[in-house]
Amino acid sequence: AQKVTQAQTEISVVEKEDVTLDCVYETRDTTYYLFWYKQPPSGELVFLIRRNSFDEQNEISGRYSWNFQKSTSSFNFTITASQVVDSAVYFCALSEAWNNDMRFGAGTRLTVKP
Amino acid sequence: SAVISQKPSRDICQRGTSLTIQCQVDSQVTMMFWYRQQPGQSLTLIATANQGSEATYESGFVIDKFPISRPNLTFSTLTVSNLSPEDSSIYLCSVEDRGTSVYEQYFGPGTRLTVT
Repeated sequence: AQKVTQAQTEISVVEKEDVTLDCVYETRDTTYYLFWYKQPPSGELVFLIRRNSFDEQNEISGRYSWNFQKSTSSFNFTITASQVVDSAVYFCALSEAWNNDMRFGAGTRLTVKP
Repeated sequence: SAVISQKPSRDICQRGTSLTIQCQVDSQVTMMFWYRQQPGQSLTLIATANQGSEATYESGFVIDKFPISRPNLTFSTLTVSNLSPEDSSIYLCSVEDRGTSVYEQYFGPGTRLTVT
């Protein structure tokens, strides 16, 4: 069965520090999708990225970057030069293509202090 | 982009009753999803709402408990039936946007349900 592990429950950094949120997944499927979402204190969910299993290229979007490594079953998320507005709970998720089943990690609460 | 509204935003219901949550999107979308987020917990996908056919439920969720309607490409409802305190959660509607080469997903503001 698929599984997503976000081992870091809480992370606290000071503004302008770089921070990496870890995501490790398990799946037997060869075709799957990986996601990251942000949930700020206001509660709304924000989609950040979807990556399919055949695309191992790293993705960069502004201060955000994602490192997908199938060899270690990881899909880590890095925020460069963190800002207070980055404070949120971040969820990693896995969706298997054959059954559309989706699993979320427990989430990592990131606090960025000024 | 897509703007999603949900009604009600919150409700307090008695056990044994049902609550129907509405999800309205400002554009036509193929895929609509319903998620649940229990207090302080992560998210769980309940089902995919398909237009013109029955919803596709995830493991652990059944149609009798969570009937879903999808009458058109902009609207869906989720009913949580025979409520128990364990159903107290935030319920979220979401849509995919595959209109461009870049995948996007949008979420509604959520419906906070408290069952007493």
